[in-house]
Amino acid sequence: DVKVTQSSRYLVKRTGEKVFLECVQDMDHENMFWYRQDPGLGLRLIYFSYDVKMKEKGDIPEGYSVSREKKERFSLILESASTNQTSMYLCASSFFGTGYNEQFFGPGTRLTVL
Amino acid sequence: AQSVTQLDSHVSVSEGTPVLLRCNYSSSYSPSLFWYVQHPNKGLQLLLKYTSAATLVKGINGFEAEFKKSETSFHLTKPSAHMSDAAEYFCVVRSGDMRFGAGTRLTVKP
Repeated sequence: DVKVTQSSRYLVKRTGEKVFLECVQDMDHENMFWYRQDPGLGLRLIYFSYDVKMKEKGDIPEGYSVSREKKERFSLILESASTNQTSMYLCASSFFGTGYNEQFFGPGTRLTVL
Repeated sequence: AQSVTQLDSHVSVSEGTPVLLRCNYSSSYSPSLFWYVQHPNKGLQLLLKYTSAATLVKGINGFEAEFKKSETSFHLTKPSAHMSDAAEYFCVVRSGDMRFGAGTRLTVKP
């Protein structure tokens, strides 16, 4: 059974803290993605990576960075958390290429920044 | 540029009645289209995808969707709703990047 796991289901942090969200996939996928999900806005792409050490900005990269040192692991970093980053964060992975390759999602991390 | 519009933010049906979740898209090229479902506190699960092989696509749990190019629509249907269908549903268009609709929350009344 294919699997994408995220390090935490719920996380509470304080404003200004550095926050790490970890994602691991066991499907040998080349592509990995980080989204944030907010009510009424659907999913918005923060960053994605199509290979180790490669990264591309998505639609809303401000305030975030990412790291991909190994193929199976993709980390999202909030350098200095702010209250407007309170959200649900979803990690996904897929095989390389465009077209019909669907993305497989993790269970999500609900982050609250106080 | 591509975009997707889910026409209803909330749909409520009674158990055993048909379900219709509406999705319109725009895309400069022939798109790939997907429907995902998200149950409470869970990640997204693929329901079905359009791969250009057939305009009527069958998915899991009795759902299906019809690709209508002339109407730029990809509506999701199910003949008979079940309580376990209550969830949020996302229509997704892909022509390069994936673009997600805002979601439709389906409520199923007993």
